[in-house]
Amino acid sequence: DAKTTQPNSMESNEEEPVHLPCNHSTISGTDYIHWYRQLPSQGPEYVIHGLTSNVNNRMASLAIAEDRKSSTLILHRATLRDAAVYYCILRDGGRGSTLGRLYFGRGTQLTVWP
Amino acid sequence: DTGVSQDPRHKITKRGQNVTFRCDPISEHNRLYWYRQTLGQGPEFLTYFQNEAQLEKSRLLSDRFSAERPKGSFSTLEIQRTEQGDSAMYLCASSRGQAGPYEQYFGPGTRLTVT
Repeated sequence: DAKTTQPNSMESNEEEPVHLPCNHSTISGTDYIHWYRQLPSQGPEYVIHGLTSNVNNRMASLAIAEDRKSSTLILHRATLRDAAVYYCILRDGGRGSTLGRLYFGRGTQLTVWP
Repeated sequence: DTGVSQDPRHKITKRGQNVTFRCDPISEHNRLYWYRQTLGQGPEFLTYFQNEAQLEKSRLLSDRFSAERPKGSFSTLEIQRTEQGDSAMYLCASSRGQAGPYEQYFGPGTRLTVT
């Protein structure tokens, strides 16, 4: 499994933007970048994913560096409900890939202050 | 609600007993995954099904663990002769595809406590 590196924790104030970084220097050309989050006492929740271009959805934006060795999950206006552990995960999209697993690591604990 | 469901949500058992958990995936998803999560750690992969075929198993899945998906719909995870180290949250997920652009949708988990 290709590995990612994330800060252990980050803090933000409510209604401010949050930029969660992820380094993936060993990413391969067929790896997709996925983000999940896990709220306390719940299963992980899919947030967003991308391959090369920046992506936006109703939950967040994903900014991918030109060399794809890093990415940033952007929460445009943090709310108290965004307090969670955020996981950055690489998934092989190659045709020969048979791996189904997600490798989670320890993620970034986001604290949002009112 | 058409999300992934798991039953039971909580299970307390005595060491040495057998336990079985059930997962009902999103109906149109033919891929199903089991993960285990202990306190302070991210989820760890256990096993993966495509329809009824078990395609991948982690080395974490010892001989005491068995998973089935008999008709390619719901799945069960059984732990025999439970040990205190089996205490964890057991998570199930499903997806339309196994890699690349396909996201996984998780259930709420079954929290197992072995006393």
